[in-house]
Amino acid sequence: DVVMTQSPLSLPVTLGQPASMSCRSSQSLVYSDGNTYLNWFQQRPGQSPRRLIYKVSNRDSGVPDRFSGSGSGTDFTLRISRVEAEDVGIYYCMQGTHWPGTFGQGTKVEIK
Amino acid sequence: VQLVESGGDLVQPGGSLRLSCAASGFTFSNSWMSWVRQAPGKGLEWVAGMNQDGSEKNYVDSVKGRFTISRDNAKSSLFLQMNSLRTEDTAVYYCATALGGLWGQGTMVTVSS
Repeated sequence: DVVMTQSPLSLPVTLGQPASMSCRSSQSLVYSDGNTYLNWFQQRPGQSPRRLIYKVSNRDSGVPDRFSGSGSGTDFTLRISRVEAEDVGIYYCMQGTHWPGTFGQGTKVEIK
Repeated sequence: VQLVESGGDLVQPGGSLRLSCAASGFTFSNSWMSWVRQAPGKGLEWVAGMNQDGSEKNYVDSVKGRFTISRDNAKSSLFLQMNSLRTEDTAVYYCATALGGLWGQGTMVTVSS
C-alpha cells in the first residue's frame, strides 16, 4: 500500500497567521489518465471529515479561498493563508491513485 | 445532498452486522462508493469500494474474506456486510463517495464481549 506521511503531526498557530503542512507519498501519485488524485480533508472535533481540496489544488465548493493546495509527484502541501478559529481540527491528506486509498496520520491544528 | 448511515451496534467477537447507507440529492447510480472507518481516537482507513454497477469491488487486506460491499441503485443504497467481526474492527464507519467529496455522519460499530 502507498504510505502517506504528514508533517508536522501537531501545528500550533496564531490567529491571523499563515500555516502550512506537508504530505509525502511513498510512490508517485500520477495516475495513468494524467491526473494526480491527492485530496485534503478537514475533520473538526466531533464531525465527519470534509474534503477541502481535490486533485492537488482544486478547492471544493464552499471552501474558503484561504485554503490552497500545491505539489506534484510525491510531495504536497496544504496552506492556510490566515488561520481562523474555525480551522481548528485535524487535516488529512489522502491518495486515491492506487487502491486501497490511503490517508496520512493527520496534522492537528490548534490555536496558540 | 446527503448520505445517512445506519446499522451500527454492539456485537460480540465473531458476530455479524450489516451497515446501510441511504443516498439522496445526487445520482447515486453514477457514483463510485466507499466505506471508510475510524477507530476511536485514531485516523481514517479506507475499507471497501465499489464501482457504479457493482462489477468491481475492492477491499483493504484486513477485511478481505470477512466484509462484503454491495449496492442497490434502484434504492440509492450502499451496504457493508461484516462477518467474523474482531475487536479491532471497532470504529465509526462512514459511507463516502469514492474520492471523498461527500461523507455521511457515520455509524458506530463496537465489537466487544
